[in-house]
Order: sequence, then structure tokens, then C-alpha cells
Amino acid sequence: DQQVKQNSPSLSVQEGRISILNCDYTNSMFDYFLWYKKYPAEGPTFLISISSIKDKNEDGRFTVFLNKSAKHLSLHIVPSQPGDSAVYFCAARNGYQLIWGAGTKLIIKP
Amino acid sequence: DTGVSQNPRHKITKRGQNVTFRCDPISEHNRLYWYRQTLGQGPEFLTYFQNEAQLEKSRLLSDRFSAERPKGSFSTLEIQRTEQGDSAMYLCASSLARGPGNSPLHFGNGTRLTVT
Repeated sequence: DQQVKQNSPSLSVQEGRISILNCDYTNSMFDYFLWYKKYPAEGPTFLISISSIKDKNEDGRFTVFLNKSAKHLSLHIVPSQPGDSAVYFCAARNGYQLIWGAGTKLIIKP
Repeated sequence: DTGVSQNPRHKITKRGQNVTFRCDPISEHNRLYWYRQTLGQGPEFLTYFQNEAQLEKSRLLSDRFSAERPKGSFSTLEIQRTEQGDSAMYLCASSLARGPGNSPLHFGNGTRLTVT
């Protein structure tokens, strides 16, 4: 029962272009959505979050969009930089728990 | 703020042995979480403490697993009679009491357990 899905295991983007990472969910009771970034041999690091009552949240180069009717959210990174190469996880809050997707590996090409 | 610290970073053990991991959260954080992550998957929730009280446990946490946070500061996760299926990265995270949406979790670098 995968309540949070990231259907793209990997994504390759040219440096300077926009990276778009997608996430789908099934539980309409989730009230907060978060994106985390993970480098090898490190724990996940919080990037940005959005409340279910909003449809957009922006922080510098990172913007998260939420489409509740489609149960879909996306993370936009613009412009993409080499340091953005990492695994990105989408997570949804259910009470005290975060339910996580399987992650998307983002590769920024020079 | 020295971040969340986990020890050891790596643990190799033989099947049937007991192992214990330690987590030191960010000092002012009163919530502490344990997650488990296997290759190609996102973290899976195991258990959560507010101060010294263990408030929630996942059904993933069998009776071979026990977690404590005796003084509301550091926490330990013990696995008894380890099995090969226990091989995973064990992640600890901490946060303030406002919850993981509006007080994001801060993760340690994890303890990688290999059961041979």
C-alpha cells in the first residue's frame, strides 16, 4: 500500500535548466507535504514544505506546487546547479508520521 | 546546534546477536523519531518519543525491537536476535513539538546495520 509514489527513479537535467520532480499520493487526509534531499552516506535534509491548504510555496530556487484535486505535487528547481545532484524524497504528514516516497535521483549534467 | 548524532555509523553482526544503536538529538528538540530505510526505498517510520514518553510505534516494530529515551535526551534502539531482514539504514531524527510539517525533522547520518 504505497500512499506516496515517486514514479521516476531518476532524472537527468542540464545545468542551468529547470528540474521538475513529481510526487503522487492517495490519502486525502495528508495535511502537510515536504521535500527532502539526500546525499550518499548522509541523512535526509529538509528542503521545503507546503500545507494542504496552499497550492504553492517558494523558497529561493525551490518551488513546490500542490494540486489537491489530482493528488499531485511537484518540486521545481531553477536554475539547476551541480550541487543539486542528490536523491529527492517527497513525504506526506499523517499524524505524527511522515509517509515517504521511494525517491528520485536527480543528476545535473554540466 | 551540532545536529543529530548517531553511533555507530556502521555495524556488522551475525544473525542471532543483539545490537544497540544510540541517537543524540539536537538539544532543544523534544521530539525524537526512529526510521528504517532499505535500498531504493524511502524511510519507514518505526517509533516516536515526545520527551521520555514513547507515543507511537509502527507495526514494523516487532517484539525484537525496543527503543528507549530514559531522560528525554538521547535515545537507544535495540534489536534482539537479529535476522538478515533487519539489514538496513536506521535513521534518527528530532524536531520541536510543532510536528513534522511546520517543524521539519532533522536527521542524523544513520547507522548502517549488516546482519550476516
